[in-house]
Amino acid sequence: EAGVTQFPSHSVIEKGQTVTLRCDPISGHDNLYWYRRVMGKEIKFLLHFVKESKQDESGMPNNRFLAERTGGTYSTLKVQPAELEDSGVYFCASSPGQGARDTQYFGPGTRLTVL
Amino acid sequence: AQKITQTQPGMFVQEKEAVTLDCTYDTSDQSYGLFWYKQPSSGEMIFLIYQGSYDEQNATEGRYSLNFQKARKSANLVISASQLGDSAMYFCAMREYDYKLSFGAGTTVTVRA
Repeated sequence: EAGVTQFPSHSVIEKGQTVTLRCDPISGHDNLYWYRRVMGKEIKFLLHFVKESKQDESGMPNNRFLAERTGGTYSTLKVQPAELEDSGVYFCASSPGQGARDTQYFGPGTRLTVL
Repeated sequence: AQKITQTQPGMFVQEKEAVTLDCTYDTSDQSYGLFWYKQPSSGEMIFLIYQGSYDEQNATEGRYSLNFQKARKSANLVISASQLGDSAMYFCAMREYDYKLSFGAGTTVTVRA
């Protein structure tokens, strides 16, 4: 069974540009999460999809960030326009359900550098 | 307030020895889950072990065990018989009612031959 995949693995852009990150969850996982680790800080929750619906987007830093999940399959996270403080590693995770024992399986992350 | 605290930024351990990674948590929920993840230098986050707040037994998964002390709100990870491949950063995380994970700062483990 394929794990969570993320693309690209690295992205270097200039301030003001747009970047789109993609996440493909494990097949059959309805729940998809985005997290971010900014340099020197803890990994922080960004948002949670159940199928194609946003269940919780309380962690999204501001309206420069837009997440979508087309047809309840893959998800994209767009940053427009990117700022220097957006640099970090963006992780995607998926789980089959929301039960107490439903483990979130993480992808390898996308390292975003904004210059 | 910090929900997950990992007080050890880095640790060294000799190959074949055991190592304990500390994790304390803060929650007012009765039902919650505690997770440990491993992040090797390649960057991926690998799930290691889970402990539910109502589980009476400490969780074990191969060489990993979780020393769960509910009254003290601690969930320490024990890695037995350390191997060179165990060198990585280890994160403790908690899931409360809202299903999102709260992470600690991580502990870097270096296994020496």
